[in-house]
Amino acid sequence: EDQVTQSPEALRLQEGESSSLNCSYTVSGLRGLFWYRQDPGKGPEFLFTLYSAGEEKEKERLKATLTKKESFLHITAPKPEDSATYLCAARYSGAGSYQLTFGKGTKLSVIP
Amino acid sequence: EPEVTQTPSHQVTQMGQEVILRCVPISNHLYFYWYRQILGQKVEFLVSFYNNEISEKSEIFDDQFSVERPDGSNFTLKIRSTKLEDSAMYFCASRKPRQGEAFFGQGTRLTVV
Repeated sequence: EDQVTQSPEALRLQEGESSSLNCSYTVSGLRGLFWYRQDPGKGPEFLFTLYSAGEEKEKERLKATLTKKESFLHITAPKPEDSATYLCAARYSGAGSYQLTFGKGTKLSVIP
Repeated sequence: EPEVTQTPSHQVTQMGQEVILRCVPISNHLYFYWYRQILGQKVEFLVSFYNNEISEKSEIFDDQFSVERPDGSNFTLKIRSTKLEDSAMYFCASRKPRQGEAFFGQGTRLTVV
């Protein structure tokens, strides 16, 4: 069973049309929830870290939130340059605590 | 802004050949990682390295793989005898102590023919 599940797999938005991406994670042992942006052929670019339920982080048109079982990446009034794949990753305590476990990502396309 | 640097950006190799992928992590980071991403699939953990030794490795990181920090700045991944299924993007990452987020390089695209 996947520890990190993202939905939807793909999302097409008109420029200015706000929406949210979802990341569900295995709750037990969570040490941190991370959001990254990945452009085609490039490495993941760090966006946010969230550690506890209720926490929120914001950067330009993006806001990440964390509840007890999922995280959301809200995109307000997106622009075409926000088009990318957004990756959610989790770090867990115990065995495997050094590594990040990634979801499959949500591919966002923002149409002008 | 400091960044993780990887070389080469693209490597083509014959099946069975050895390859070495190179990385220069961010200078004050102490934890180093290799991840890979097969085309169209998710980013997968390979290995983490701290205090000059492997701290964790995944099932993917078998005896064909090795890592080394030969000096104070470089961090390498060696694949001893490449297979077709090793074709992927390989990402190096690093992080500071007591910081959860890792910072990734731009990757090396390895193509095994």
